[in-house]
Amino acid sequence: AQSVSQHNHHVILSEAASLELGCNYSYGGTVNLFWYVQYPGQHLQLLLKYFSGDPLVKGIKGFEAEFIKSKFSFNLRKPSVQWSDTAEYFCAVNQRGGADGLTFGKGTHLIIQP
Amino acid sequence: DSGVTQTPKHLITATGQRVTLRCSPRSGDLSVYWYQQSLDQGLQFLIQYYNGEERAKGNILERFSAQQFPDLHSELNLSSLELGDSALYFCASSVRDRATYEQYFGPGTRLTVT
Repeated sequence: AQSVSQHNHHVILSEAASLELGCNYSYGGTVNLFWYVQYPGQHLQLLLKYFSGDPLVKGIKGFEAEFIKSKFSFNLRKPSVQWSDTAEYFCAVNQRGGADGLTFGKGTHLIIQP
Repeated sequence: DSGVTQTPKHLITATGQRVTLRCSPRSGDLSVYWYQQSLDQGLQFLIQYYNGEERAKGNILERFSAQQFPDLHSELNLSSLELGDSALYFCASSVRDRATYEQYFGPGTRLTVT
């Protein structure tokens, strides 16, 4: 069965610090990879996605992620975080070419201190 | 606002009861997904419908069922409720049933079973 691991459950950073959130997946086939964000009191929204091609993908709000196939990883990065980045971040995967729901990691609660 | 609506926002009911959660997808989206978010299990995919037909099943209990109607709205029925069913239930929609299409999430229905 496919699974997604997010290594950091809680992260606290100061504004302007750099961010990297880890995500590893376990799956036997070819996958699509996603990062979703859930701001306090709001719905889940897509930050970025990787289907194929350039393994470095850029998303909204200055976020980017790098797919490293050999490591089964899809880490999320941002060079300089802002207080407004305080949110829950979820890594997710589904099977490429299939009709399938998303398998999510447990999430990382990110708190940015002013 | 993602364009996906869910009703009700909150639901409190007793063990053994049955409830129905409703989801209206974004205009033009044919596919609807249901997810459950709980503290211990995280975000889990339950079931997917596409244009009225069931397309994929995840970790959905036999006590739970869903359907998608001709107007494309979907309902998730939860019966013989247990305390452990208390969770946030999300609906998501996408244009098609393939994995590469972005899923847009609704605000969720918070179910409390007492």
